[in-house]
Amino acid sequence: EDQVTQSPEALRLQEGESSSLNCSYTVSGLRGLFWYRQDPGKGPEFLFTLYSAGEEKEKERLKATLTKKESFLHITAPKPEDSATYLCAVTFLDDKIIFGKGTRLHILP
Amino acid sequence: DGGITQSPKYLFRKEGQNVTLSCEQNLNHDAMYWYRQDPGQGLRLIYYSQIVNDFQKGDIAEGYSVSREKKESFPLTVTSAQKNPTAFYLCASSIDQGDQPQHFGDGTRLSIL
Repeated sequence: EDQVTQSPEALRLQEGESSSLNCSYTVSGLRGLFWYRQDPGKGPEFLFTLYSAGEEKEKERLKATLTKKESFLHITAPKPEDSATYLCAVTFLDDKIIFGKGTRLHILP
Repeated sequence: DGGITQSPKYLFRKEGQNVTLSCEQNLNHDAMYWYRQDPGQGLRLIYYSQIVNDFQKGDIAEGYSVSREKKESFPLTVTSAQKNPTAFYLCASSIDQGDQPQHFGDGTRLSIL
């Protein structure tokens, strides 16, 4: 069964403490992997698209990487405003998309 | 600025009642989607539409209906057949259906009275 698993479910970091969020997938025919940020009571905001193993994308303090079985969202020297839920999603060759359950990130000042 | 507008932000449904959630976009996107978000679960696809007057069922379409009479609008009706409608509903769009959802609205939270 095709699955997308995000870990950890929740993460608390001190401001400036770098870490990584994980998104692992067991799918056949991967077309792309996507990261979104979601603030409470809001819709997700698109961050990155990754298409092939070895690809990396960066935006401010965030960097997304992709291997054949997982993706990491690295957060460098985070600030309190980086607190949010980060969602990962994967699309297949038949255009089906599966979302992970998300990682709730809380950055303490 | 272009975007997706969902209304209302909060909605309450009585037993046996149908309710309609509005979704309007001014991005000129062809594809539109409806997702349901429940605590502790990933987003699940209810319906999607690639072009006007055409739409397809997603993974959890039972108890829901949609229409796509205009490119800009994709309303979702939660019918009385949906026995567990309490959730956060998100509308999204993309340039075409082959893309991932690129823009999301800010959602409608539906509760049961």
